Amino acid sequence: GAGVSQSPSNKVTEKGKDVELRCDPISGHTALYWYRQSLGQGLEFLIYFQGNSAPDKSGLPSDRFSAERTGGSVSTLTIQRTQQEDSAVYLCASSLSLAGGRYEQYFGPGTRLTVT
Amino acid sequence: AQKVTQAQTEISVVEKEDVTLDCVYETRDTTYYLFWYKQPPSGELVFLIRRNSFDEQNEISGRYSWNFQKSTSSFNFTITASQVVDSAVYFCALASPNTGNQFYFGTGTSLTVIP
Repeated sequence: GAGVSQSPSNKVTEKGKDVELRCDPISGHTALYWYRQSLGQGLEFLIYFQGNSAPDKSGLPSDRFSAERTGGSVSTLTIQRTQQEDSAVYLCASSLSLAGGRYEQYFGPGTRLTVT
Repeated sequence: AQKVTQAQTEISVVEKEDVTLDCVYETRDTTYYLFWYKQPPSGELVFLIRRNSFDEQNEISGRYSWNFQKSTSSFNFTITASQVVDSAVYFCALASPNTGNQFYFGTGTSLTVIP
């Protein structure tokens, strides 16, 4: 079946502009995660969603970052007033459920964001 | 606190050599899950394996094998007879019901297999 898809694959934006990144999880997966990966670095957790429950936003680095998940499926990560330090690859992952890690996450190809 | 340490930042081996990637974890939970992911140069993370804390059996899948030892809090990954296609960054991760459903990733080990 189809894997996790993300769009756009690349995004170049000017400092101060807003950007929206999209994630389509695997069908049937109720849990969805967003991560950020800076060049040569590990994964930084941003936010996760589980079904219709309130998301865990504890990883969002500032109030310029927000995310929503409509209808328990597609998710959008929005970065307002982008800064150069926001430049990174943004990864989306989904899993069957949260369940404390009982299920592995499947990752999308990422969106490479460059803020000039 | 949950933590995953991958002390090896970069490793280079010559093709056909065996290589072991180390992963040491910290958790106070008795139920937890460990994972390995591969991130090739193309960038997409690929799931390799998941182990739960109650199953210490080592696992072998082709040229890949995993050694889970609770006594040393380690979950090491060995590639036998390495190939150029094994060149990638490998991440170890930890999750448990008490971590708020977050996955804690190590900083990754970059493996280069030289032909």
